[in-house]
Amino acid sequence: AQSVTQLDSQVPVFEEAPVELRCNYSSSVSVYLFWYVQYPNQGLQLLLKYLSGSTLVKGINGFEAEFNKSQTSFHLRKPSVHISDTAEYFCAVSAGTYKYIFGTGTRLKVLA
Amino acid sequence: GAGVSQSPSNKVTEKGKDVELRCDPISGHTALYWYRQSLGQGLEFLIYFQGNSAPDKSGLPSDRFSAERTGGSVSTLTIQRTQQEDSAVYLCASSPQGTGELFFGEGSRLTVL
Repeated sequence: AQSVTQLDSQVPVFEEAPVELRCNYSSSVSVYLFWYVQYPNQGLQLLLKYLSGSTLVKGINGFEAEFNKSQTSFHLRKPSVHISDTAEYFCAVSAGTYKYIFGTGTRLKVLA
Repeated sequence: GAGVSQSPSNKVTEKGKDVELRCDPISGHTALYWYRQSLGQGLEFLIYFQGNSAPDKSGLPSDRFSAERTGGSVSTLTIQRTQQEDSAVYLCASSPQGTGELFFGEGSRLTVL
């Protein structure tokens, strides 16, 4: 079975500062990893995904994430955040089947 | 093209009443999921439909919950005899097979008084 841990429930950061949202997973098999973003009163949308290949994955809106197999992590980063990045971010894992396990989410609040 | 559509967007009901939540997936998507999102709990898997295969109902929390998908398209999640702990946002997602991406609707917020 797989599990996902997002240790930070809330992350406040000033506008134009860098941010890292942490995600750790556990699995006994190879996994696919995802980050989704949920803006207020909207559904989730895919930011980026790691299926195979390069461990550095670039997504929409300037976000990127790095898959680290030895540390079982898939942290999300952005070098300079904007007010519009305020949202909830979910990390998810799949073992290649149809089942996706989601973390509990991290609320990113960008401060002016 | 249209995204995943869910209705109603908000539903307030009294304890003990039945509710139906509807999901209209993206045309051509063979997979359909229902998730429940409670405050601070992340997304809880409820049920999965894939084409004409038998659904995976392993996430349904009790026998008061049921779902069907008609004609491989629209899905309805039914909660019978609602309880206050059923209050949550119910999210539907669809996926074209093999892409690894889920497309979510905006959810149906259920409040049980």
